[in-house]
Amino acid sequence: DTAVSQTPKYLVTQMGNDKSIKCEQNLGHDTMYWYKQDSKKFLKIMFSYNNKELIINETVPNRFSPKSPDKAHLNLHINSLELGDSAVYFCASSLPNGIQYFGAGTRLSVL
Amino acid sequence: KQEVTQIPAALSVPEGENLVLNCSFTDSAIYNLQWFRQDPGKGLTSLLLIQSSQREQTSGRLNASLDKSSGRSTLYIAASQPGDSATYLCAGGAGGGADGLTFGKGTHLIIQP
Repeated sequence: DTAVSQTPKYLVTQMGNDKSIKCEQNLGHDTMYWYKQDSKKFLKIMFSYNNKELIINETVPNRFSPKSPDKAHLNLHINSLELGDSAVYFCASSLPNGIQYFGAGTRLSVL
Repeated sequence: KQEVTQIPAALSVPEGENLVLNCSFTDSAIYNLQWFRQDPGKGLTSLLLIQSSQREQTSGRLNASLDKSSGRSTLYIAASQPGDSATYLCAGGAGGGADGLTFGKGTHLIIQP
């Protein structure tokens, strides 16, 4: 069974559209994260959620909104997509102070 | 604000050699340090996690060290194999588990058969 799963794996869309990426973990972890890996392969934290509360929110445009219906899910909704949003988005989860486990990533291409 | 730097950016060595990947960080108040490997087009696989109270961790042919006072961590790979070819990422954790990791830009490693 996949520990952290993301859907879809690939997402191609037009500028201005709204899209969502789903993430689920079956590890029983309390904290989940979204990271963005840009074209230069640099990974940067976007959000983390601990027990359904947003803990950190880096300098991410408010077009991005994380939504957590329960502890096992953290979805990422993006409004009014822009060319610069093209990247690979990774979901991760962990126990407090523990190893972070990553999903396989969602490659978003905005045309 | 934590910054993580990895040197070298790329490394190519013959199979069988022992090698060291370097990672440096600016904030010595680091909570933990994690090493990952990323294969092309894939997600990240955790290799080793070192808590701030620890000096090193070992898993098989891998050994990671942490020196908070100098702001450095190393990943030692013994008897390298072609299957070790990947990008290795170092990441620092800042807080009590709910904070995200600050990543370096990685070392792209190629092991020549």
